[in-house]
Amino acid sequence: NAGVTQTPKFQVLKTGQSMTLQCAQDMNHEYMSWYRQDPGMGLRLIHYSVGAGITDQGEVPNGYNVSRSTTEDFPLRLLSAAPSQTSVYFCASSYSFHPAYSPLHFGNGTRLTVT
Amino acid sequence: TQLLEQSPQFLSIQEGENLTVYCNSSSVFSSLQWYRQEPGEGPVLLVTVVTGGEVKKLKRLTFQFGDARKDSSLHITAAQPGDTGLYLCAGEGETSGSRLTFGEGTQLTVNP
Repeated sequence: NAGVTQTPKFQVLKTGQSMTLQCAQDMNHEYMSWYRQDPGMGLRLIHYSVGAGITDQGEVPNGYNVSRSTTEDFPLRLLSAAPSQTSVYFCASSYSFHPAYSPLHFGNGTRLTVT
Repeated sequence: TQLLEQSPQFLSIQEGENLTVYCNSSSVFSSLQWYRQEPGEGPVLLVTVVTGGEVKKLKRLTFQFGDARKDSSLHITAAQPGDTGLYLCAGEGETSGSRLTFGEGTQLTVNP
């Protein structure tokens, strides 16, 4: 099993450009989520989905869009990149929406720099 | 917003030493998880604790959930260079709809 696959691994954008961070999982997990990791701030939830066709906002959703057309894929879109979005982005999935009984499986991250 | 504070933020020790990392909050959590993250990779779950006062052991790692379910600790006995990494605690709030709140992390370096 590949687990959670994120692409690209690295990306540099100019301010105002748009891009999509890809995330795919092959574990048939219903729950998927996007986090950003910044130094000294831990992981912060951007958006999440409890199943195909259902998405919701997390702690820091502004500037990001998501969609969930299939169980396997959960892309994250930056419509107009800003330097404040420079970060490492992690996609995670789990079997269910209850962390205590269904641990998160993380991808290896996308390191994004916005100049 | 529920906050989880980890201490220390950085820890550098010699192989064979013992250490404890703390995760504290003023909020009550339904459960608490500890993850370990290595450079260039995503976090990997080490343990989940769900009951106040619960103690779990994973080889040389001992995890404890506070009686009031507001804090947790991770103790490593006889640390080894392979223990080097970023340790993250994450709490599932009672009122946050099962979403996890992550601490800032403790960067542990074990020198040979």
